[in-house]
Amino acid sequence: SAVISQKPSRDICQRGTSLTIQCQVDSQVTMMFWYRQQPGQSLTLIATANQGSEATYESGFVIDKFPISRPNLTFSTLTVSNMSPEDSSIYLCSVLGYSLEQYFGPGTRLTVT
Amino acid sequence: GQQVMQIPQYQHVQEGEDFTTYCNSSTTLSNIQWYKQRPGGHPVFLIQLVKSGEVKKQKRLTFQFGEAKKNSSLHITATQTTDVGTYFCAGWLETSGSRLTFGEGTQLTVNP
Repeated sequence: SAVISQKPSRDICQRGTSLTIQCQVDSQVTMMFWYRQQPGQSLTLIATANQGSEATYESGFVIDKFPISRPNLTFSTLTVSNMSPEDSSIYLCSVLGYSLEQYFGPGTRLTVT
Repeated sequence: GQQVMQIPQYQHVQEGEDFTTYCNSSTTLSNIQWYKQRPGGHPVFLIQLVKSGEVKKQKRLTFQFGEAKKNSSLHITATQTTDVGTYFCAGWLETSGSRLTFGEGTQLTVNP
């Protein structure tokens, strides 16, 4: 299994500002994913981040709003840009394990006021 | 639209009662995975089923994969308060490439 850390664990931000969330893995992984989870809801995939290539975004998510970096095989960032209260959510990164299982980071709880 | 459906959405049981959550897909699944998310926590991988009709057990938890690879179930025998959380099924759809599709989850509460 992989050990994943995320920073920050939580933040309260003003609308119109941007927040960058960091995801660090203790081993090299090919595929990393960014999810959003509203309280009491399921996980919604934002994008898949592969090292050395552009992130692949899911329907409803665009690069201008959620730019992603993947500079190496152990690190990725997700930026939530020009935030509005609708962006308040938990943001989770995950990595793909050897048997296609996913390991999740502890999440970043974002509140936009 | 949602391609992996999960029922029930909520389940309240008395400690010692059994619990089952069901997962159904509109398309064939390459495999099915189950995750548990404790309140305030993140999803944690429990198990993966790959073969048609496969059954796996983890102590009081029994996981089944349907013969048609379109449905799955998780059964907990004699629930304990430590079983509280939301259980998600997730499947690799044969048509979705590298995307894992999650069900809506079943939130389990256990009354002591």
